[in-house]
Amino acid sequence: DAGVIQSPRHEVTEMGQEVTLRCKPISGHDYLFWYRQTMMRGLELLIYFNNNVPIDDSGMPEDRFSAKMPNASFSTLKIQPSEPRDSAVYFCASSSRGPSTDTQYFGPGTRLTVL
Amino acid sequence: GQQVMQIPQYQHVQEGEDFTTYCNSSTTLSNIQWYKQRPGGHPVFLIQLVKSGEVKKQKRLTFQFGEAKKNSSLHITATQTTDVGTYFCAGPGGGGSEKLVFGKGTKLTVNP
Repeated sequence: DAGVIQSPRHEVTEMGQEVTLRCKPISGHDYLFWYRQTMMRGLELLIYFNNNVPIDDSGMPEDRFSAKMPNASFSTLKIQPSEPRDSAVYFCASSSRGPSTDTQYFGPGTRLTVL
Repeated sequence: GQQVMQIPQYQHVQEGEDFTTYCNSSTTLSNIQWYKQRPGGHPVFLIQLVKSGEVKKQKRLTFQFGEAKKNSSLHITATQTTDVGTYFCAGPGGGGSEKLVFGKGTKLTVNP
């Protein structure tokens, strides 16, 4: 299995630009998670989906962030407009069962730099 | 919401020394998971503990879940340079939330 796939691996953009991060979960996994990792705040859950439906988006920082999962094999996290404080590593993860009871498999991450 | 506190934040050891990281919760956890993240890498699942007082071993790594299910520890015997990385514990968010809440992690560096 290829594991969780994320693209791009690195993104450098200027403040105000739209950024779209992409994720392909492991086939057969019903749960998909988006995390953000920074030195200051650690690993934070932004949103998670179950069977393509958003379940908990309480971690989404503000309206500039949005996430979609149009089908079982693809999800996007969009930031519009981007700001320097959005600079972080964004991880996508997937699991086959409940979010707190099953192993989560992380993708390689997207390192976002907003200038 | 649920918070999982992890100490120490950093640990530097000489190769061959032992290492321990501790995880504490203010509330009872149904389970606790441990992940390792190598420098520049992504978190990788190590183990899940479910039972009160549970102890599990993976080669030089020993994981414990407290009797009250509010704390956990990871102990590495005779560290090697391959053990370098950040170790995270994670537990359920609580309050009806299913999400996993990660501790801030313990960054381990090993001097050869």
